[in-house]
Amino acid sequence: GAGVSQSPSNKVTEKGKDVELRCDPISGHTALYWYRQSLGQGLEFLIYFQGNSAPDKSGLPSDRFSAERTGGSVSTLTIQRTQQEDSAVYLCASSLGGISYNEQFFGPGTRLTVL
Amino acid sequence: AQTVTQSQPEMSVQEAETVTLSCTYDTSESNYYLFWYKQPPSRQMILVIRQEAYKQQNATENRFSVNFQKAAKSFSLKISDSQLGDTAMYFCAFILSSGAGSYQLTFGKGTKLSVIP
Repeated sequence: GAGVSQSPSNKVTEKGKDVELRCDPISGHTALYWYRQSLGQGLEFLIYFQGNSAPDKSGLPSDRFSAERTGGSVSTLTIQRTQQEDSAVYLCASSLGGISYNEQFFGPGTRLTVL
Repeated sequence: AQTVTQSQPEMSVQEAETVTLSCTYDTSESNYYLFWYKQPPSRQMILVIRQEAYKQQNATENRFSVNFQKAAKSFSLKISDSQLGDTAMYFCAFILSSGAGSYQLTFGKGTKLSVIP
């Protein structure tokens, strides 16, 4: 079956522009996760959704970041007024059950470059 | 906040040999979940192995096993009979429920493992 897909695979934008990153989870997966992976750093957990609900948004780096999920499926991560420090690979993952012990299946990521 | 430390940024191992990757974490909680994920070059992250903290028995998945030392807050990964396909970045991860639907999910910075033919 199809895995987690993300689009675009690469995004180059100018400082101050808004960007939208999309994640299509595996069909039937109720939980969805967003991470940021910067060069030389581990994965920074941003937010997760259980269904369409995000119980905890405190992991988002600033109020320029927002995320939504509709229909219990596709999710978008929006970064407003991008800054150079936002440059990173943004990974999405999904799992069949909720967060905890369930295996997360990762997408290939979106590489964001802010000039 | 919980922390996860992988003290070996890079390691190498000869093909067919055994290698151990270290991971330590810091928490005052007793029930949590631990994972090892691998990220091969230019490929997607995949789960290697996982462990529930309340289980004393170490998890094993084929050539991969963990040494879970709860008191020492250590969760090392042992790879036996290393293969070229094991070359990857390995991340240790920790998940803890902090109540009311909130979770703390922390990854280490990773260990880059190279398997040498």
